[in-house]
Amino acid sequence: AQSVTQLDSHVSVSEGTPVLLRCNYSSSYSPSLFWYVQHPNKGLQLLLKYTSAATLVKGINGFEAEFKKSETSFHLTKPSAHMSDAAEYFCVVSDTGGFKTIFGAGTRLFVKA
Amino acid sequence: DAGVIQSPRHEVTEMGQEVTLRCKPISGHNSLFWYRQTMMRGLELLIYFNNNVPIDDSGMPEDRFSAKMPNASFSTLKIQPSEPRDSAVYFCASSKGLAETSSYEQYFGPGTRLTVT
Repeated sequence: AQSVTQLDSHVSVSEGTPVLLRCNYSSSYSPSLFWYVQHPNKGLQLLLKYTSAATLVKGINGFEAEFKKSETSFHLTKPSAHMSDAAEYFCVVSDTGGFKTIFGAGTRLFVKA
Repeated sequence: DAGVIQSPRHEVTEMGQEVTLRCKPISGHNSLFWYRQTMMRGLELLIYFNNNVPIDDSGMPEDRFSAKMPNASFSTLKIQPSEPRDSAVYFCASSKGLAETSSYEQYFGPGTRLTVT
């Protein structure tokens, strides 16, 4: 069975400091992993995806994530936060057939000036 | 590409009324997903279709909810009769398909905010 756990419901950082949003997963298959972002009153937008190619995945807006199989983690990072990064972020796991997609509960990122 | 299109963007209705939400997926995508998002329950998958056929509707909360996909470019989610607890944002998403060797990302529409009074 698949599952995904976002370890923090809220993260607060200052503008210009690094961002770390943590995600752990479990999957019986070789999973595909995604991060989505949702700005207030908007739909979800894909940030990046991992599908068994390079373990370090670069996404839009300077975000990247590293797939660590030994730790079953797929943490999202950004070197320097911007005010516009304030949003909710969802970690998602999907089996390679795409038949089952599980969304994490979300992490709300606050960015202080 | 216009992206996933949902209508209406906002719907306010009275308890007991029928509500129909509409979705147009991205052209060429053959999988379509309906989600519901609330503060209490987060994002929930209600149902998904592949090639217009419902694959898994185990997330549909009860018989008051029904979804159809009569063709590749249109889907509806209907609630009849509606209740205040159905108030939520309903998202439609589409993807290129369900393949054995790869997993395609989903593209989300802007959502329909439903308020049932």
